[in-house]
Amino acid sequence: AQTVTQSQPEMSVQEAETVTLSCTYDTSENNYYLFWYKQPPSRQMILVIRQEAYKQQNATENRFSVNFQKAAKSFSLKISDSQLGDTAMYFCAFMKSTETSGSRLTFGEGTQLTVNP
Amino acid sequence: AAGVIQSPRHLIKEKRETATLKCYPIPRHDTVYWYQQGPGQDPQFLISFYEKMQSDKGSIPDRFSAQQFSDYHSELNMSSLELGDSALYFCASSFRAFSTDTQYFGPGTRLTVL
Repeated sequence: AQTVTQSQPEMSVQEAETVTLSCTYDTSENNYYLFWYKQPPSRQMILVIRQEAYKQQNATENRFSVNFQKAAKSFSLKISDSQLGDTAMYFCAFMKSTETSGSRLTFGEGTQLTVNP
Repeated sequence: AAGVIQSPRHLIKEKRETATLKCYPIPRHDTVYWYQQGPGQDPQFLISFYEKMQSDKGSIPDRFSAQQFSDYHSELNMSSLELGDSALYFCASSFRAFSTDTQYFGPGTRLTVL
């Protein structure tokens, strides 16, 4: 079974600054995907970024980027130029790659990020 | 762009009653997932369907059942409701293409059991 650990229950950052959220995972799988989802106060789960384990290049989506260290089983999220709208609970998630569809997401405990004006 | 639709958005039931949650995936998506998120917790996987067949099963109670229909919508049926079933229930969908399988979530159904 896979486990995902987010060791920072809460973090805060000043508007326009940069913040990094940590995530580690444990798996015996070689092929898998990693995700960051955000959950703002509306409770909607919104995809932030995705990383394929077979890709060495770190994924980037505008102000969001990841630092994927496969050997260390680490997957951190960096948010640049933080905005008030980034305030949310951030979940790191693992999904193993299978030949059939429908593989589950396993989530970490979440990190509550607050962006202060 | 069309998103995942869930209905109802809010549901209040009494203990021992039955509830049915519905999910309409993004058009062309062939896989549906159900998750349960308790207060202050991360989402927990319940069950998934690919092309109308169950593809993965998590910690779904025996009191719960689900299915995916020919139009790809899915329903989660919950019987003999307990207080502990109060939670936010998410449906997500994905499209099986080149193993991407990125799951997109609906807004959730908030179930309160009194």
